[in-house]
Amino acid sequence: GNSVTQMEGPVTLSEEAFLTINCTYTATGYPSLFWYVQYPGEGLQLLLKATKADDKGSNKGFEATYRKETTSFHLEKGSVQVSDSAVYFCALRYSGYSTLTFGKGTMLLVSP
Amino acid sequence: DTGVSQDPRHKITKRGQNVTFRCDPISEHNRLYWYRQTLGQGPEFLTYFQNEAQLEKSRLLSDRFSAERPKGSFSTLEIQRTEQGDSAMYLCASSPMIAGGDIYEQYFGPGTRLTVT
Repeated sequence: GNSVTQMEGPVTLSEEAFLTINCTYTATGYPSLFWYVQYPGEGLQLLLKATKADDKGSNKGFEATYRKETTSFHLEKGSVQVSDSAVYFCALRYSGYSTLTFGKGTMLLVSP
Repeated sequence: DTGVSQDPRHKITKRGQNVTFRCDPISEHNRLYWYRQTLGQGPEFLTYFQNEAQLEKSRLLSDRFSAERPKGSFSTLEIQRTEQGDSAMYLCASSPMIAGGDIYEQYFGPGTRLTVT
């Protein structure tokens, strides 16, 4: 079946450090890939997405590139802020299907 | 529009009791989804509606669970004879269905946290 694997957290960084959160997936075909973010006490928000190989999704300084050859969609940010502290979820969805398959989430803690 | 809302935000119940949660989607969205999220896990799909029709149910949705969306607007999720294993965050999401398109973002509500004692 389809699955998403994320690196375990928490990831602890100092402000302005470089961030990478790894995400790999197992799926047949070519799903769309997503990163969602969940701030404390809030619902999940879509951070960025990519629909086909080599697409790069970007938003709020975060980026992720759909790598078909390595079945990966790693999340990166060049300089994190304290306000980026949250739980980040990688997810996939197949074309024509509605349901999302999520990874377990990775908590990011950024200290001043 | 203020987004997807869910009520209540927290519910504590005793094992064996029935509980019902409500979700109000974004008004123009005709698709509505329910997910369950347990501690340390990502959300897991339960079921979804297109307008008032329930189109898909996960095997996670046991016979004790029932969801409705009677008028194609708000939805309710009922759990009968709750068990401790039902303790989780129940998330609702909605999305538009874009004719001819495929990418439709799901907008999530804040969730209802259920604790079964």
